[in-house]
Amino acid sequence: GAVVSQHPSRVICKSGTSVKIECRSLDFQATTMFWYRQFPKQSLMLMATSNEGSKATYEQGVEKDKFLINHASLTLSTLTVTSAHPEDSSFYICSARGLNYEQYFGPGTRLTVT
Amino acid sequence: AQKITQTQPGMFVQEKEAVTLDCTYDTSDPSYGLFWYKQPSSGEMIFLIYQGSYDQQNATEGRYSLNFQKARKSANLVISASQLGDSAMYFCAMRRGAQKLVFGQGTRLTINP
Repeated sequence: GAVVSQHPSRVICKSGTSVKIECRSLDFQATTMFWYRQFPKQSLMLMATSNEGSKATYEQGVEKDKFLINHASLTLSTLTVTSAHPEDSSFYICSARGLNYEQYFGPGTRLTVT
Repeated sequence: AQKITQTQPGMFVQEKEAVTLDCTYDTSDPSYGLFWYKQPSSGEMIFLIYQGSYDQQNATEGRYSLNFQKARKSANLVISASQLGDSAMYFCAMRRGAQKLVFGQGTRLTINP
């Protein structure tokens, strides 16, 4: 089956620093990847759609200058949380779209900003 | 607007019993897809089952089946012969447009021994 990896799985950073999270499709090419955010005991909220070779499409209310997305290849999308603050602490999950519009999810990255 | 509603925040079931997790949806699109995902405490999202709006039969995958009632706009997940490892959060989701997924609030299922 299709496998999506995320790195790192956990990261702790200090307020004001930037953090990069990688999302890779390991055994298939994904022209489209998605980034979600999940707060404790809540559902997944779509942050943005990442398209290979073009700018990401952000959902309403998501700051594109704070959450930088780069989809430089067919197997890699990155999310950079710039100038992170404690309120950015969350579980970030990526997914990659398959040929039949199904989505394969990565294992998630737990970000803690101190 | 497209919306997914899961009205059961928590469910408690005895091991080996069957359990139904409710999901209703709202959309004006004639073509859509419905998904169920399992999220254990580790956080990963595990795909369980998919139902297309034009599929004539209810989807089944092993112990999972989807009770799709199009007229009522419901897509309930049925887990037969529940196991302790089924304890997790379960999310119903609908494909929005060509690719985006909209998730319900989730149901926390606890299987008691």
